[in-house]
Amino acid sequence: DTGVSQDPRHKITKRGQNVTFRCDPISEHNRLYWYRQTLGQGPEFLTYFQNEAQLEKSRLLSDRFSAERPKGSFSTLEIQRTEQGDSAMYLCASSLTDRDFLYEQYFGPGTRLTVT
Amino acid sequence: GENVEQHPSTLSVQEGDSAVIKCTYSDSASNYFPWYKQELGKGPQLIIDIRSNVGEKKDQRIAVTLNKTAKHFSLHITETQPEDSAVYFCAASYGNNRLAFGKGNQVVVIP
Repeated sequence: DTGVSQDPRHKITKRGQNVTFRCDPISEHNRLYWYRQTLGQGPEFLTYFQNEAQLEKSRLLSDRFSAERPKGSFSTLEIQRTEQGDSAMYLCASSLTDRDFLYEQYFGPGTRLTVT
Repeated sequence: GENVEQHPSTLSVQEGDSAVIKCTYSDSASNYFPWYKQELGKGPQLIIDIRSNVGEKKDQRIAVTLNKTAKHFSLHITETQPEDSAVYFCAASYGNNRLAFGKGNQVVVIP
């Protein structure tokens, strides 16, 4: 098991550009989470998928953000018209799932986004 | 929503001493409490967790205690080593679907 992987690890973009990040979860995990982490803060929940269904979105996820998990395996997070305030570490985590049980979440290394 | 607070924000300890980090949470329905260690430039790494039906859990030099009545839980690291230096995050479940994280504690182990 190679763990959760994310690509790219670093992204520098100019304000107004679109960016897309990819997350590959642990293979048997059917739940996938996206978090954002800014300097000096803990991860903040953005959204999560169970298989291919996006079940919950935080109010932090503005209309410029969209996430997909088309085949229930890897996921992409796209930010349109990036702003300097989007600069952060974007973390992906995956877990097993059960209706009444929250399983351990395992994080990837993150994608650090810098908007200039 | 759930509010998780961590204290202290920075903790310096001599190598070999113990370190204790405390967290409080607000949602009495929370039933899962993991601790993560994050090193510079890396993602958070799960190091230990505890569920609400248990008061204490230990794994080698790391232990976690939970007081549901007071809504706080603590991470204990004994015999600290330089490689324990990192940022530690506590988290609490809410809604059975997500985690709320604290702001993190910087632990510095002085050789």
